[in-house]
Amino acid sequence: NAGVMQNPRHLVRRRGQEARLRCSPMKGHSHVYWYRQLPEEGLKFMVYLQKENIIDESGMPKERFSAEFPKEGPSILRIQQVVRGDSAAYFCASSPTTSSGNTIYFGEGSWLTVV
Amino acid sequence: DAKTTQPTSMDCAEGRAANLPCNHSTISGNEYVYWYRQIHSQGPQYIIHGLKNNETNEMASLIITEDRKSSTLILPHATLRDTAVYYCIVRAYSGGGADGLTFGKGTHLIIQP
Repeated sequence: NAGVMQNPRHLVRRRGQEARLRCSPMKGHSHVYWYRQLPEEGLKFMVYLQKENIIDESGMPKERFSAEFPKEGPSILRIQQVVRGDSAAYFCASSPTTSSGNTIYFGEGSWLTVV
Repeated sequence: DAKTTQPTSMDCAEGRAANLPCNHSTISGNEYVYWYRQIHSQGPQYIIHGLKNNETNEMASLIITEDRKSSTLILPHATLRDTAVYYCIVRAYSGGGADGLTFGKGTHLIIQP
C-alpha cells in the first residue's frame, strides 16, 4: 500500500512566482491535511480538507495561500507571489474515513526554496 | 498550544532501551496519546498510540500511567537510525481538523554509538 505521495520533493521559485505542491493521499483515505515547517521550527497545521471541501483552514495565511482537494486527482497547495519567508518544508498527511481508526500518516514533504 | 510537556533532548547508548517521558496532566477522557517521530529532513512517522492500556507494536511500547497524566515511549533496542525528534501528542479519537495533531517541540533523542 503506497504511502502519502508528495511532489515535487524540491521546488525552487523566484520571488513573485507561483508554487504548486501536490499530494496524493494513501489509498482509501479521503481526509487530507497540510502542515508547514519553517527552518529550525516545529510543524504547524495549515488546512484540513475532505473531498471537494475545506473543513478547517484556520492555519492558512490570509493571503496568497489556497488549497483544494478535488473529486478526482491530488490535493493541491498553491502559493501565489511567493516571498522568501515562504521557504519551508510543506508536509501533507492523510487519514481514513472509517470510525475504526483515523491515524494520520505523513508524506515525505515538499521543500520550497524561494530565491 | 501543545498539551504535552517533554524534555528538550535525551541521549541513549546504542543497543540500550530508550525511555522517552511525556506529561499530559490536562488530558481529557476522550483523548488518546499519540507518538510520532521526525528524522532529519523526513516526514513525521507514526509510531504508536493508546488510550489507557499499555500498547506494543513492532516499533515501540507505550506505557500510560493509571491516572493518564503521563506516559513513556520505550524503544527497546535503540539503533543509530532512531536518532530523531519524538513528539508526544494528545488527540481526541474522533478528531480531525485543526486539533487533529498539534505538534510541540518534542524530544530530540540522540543515540550514541
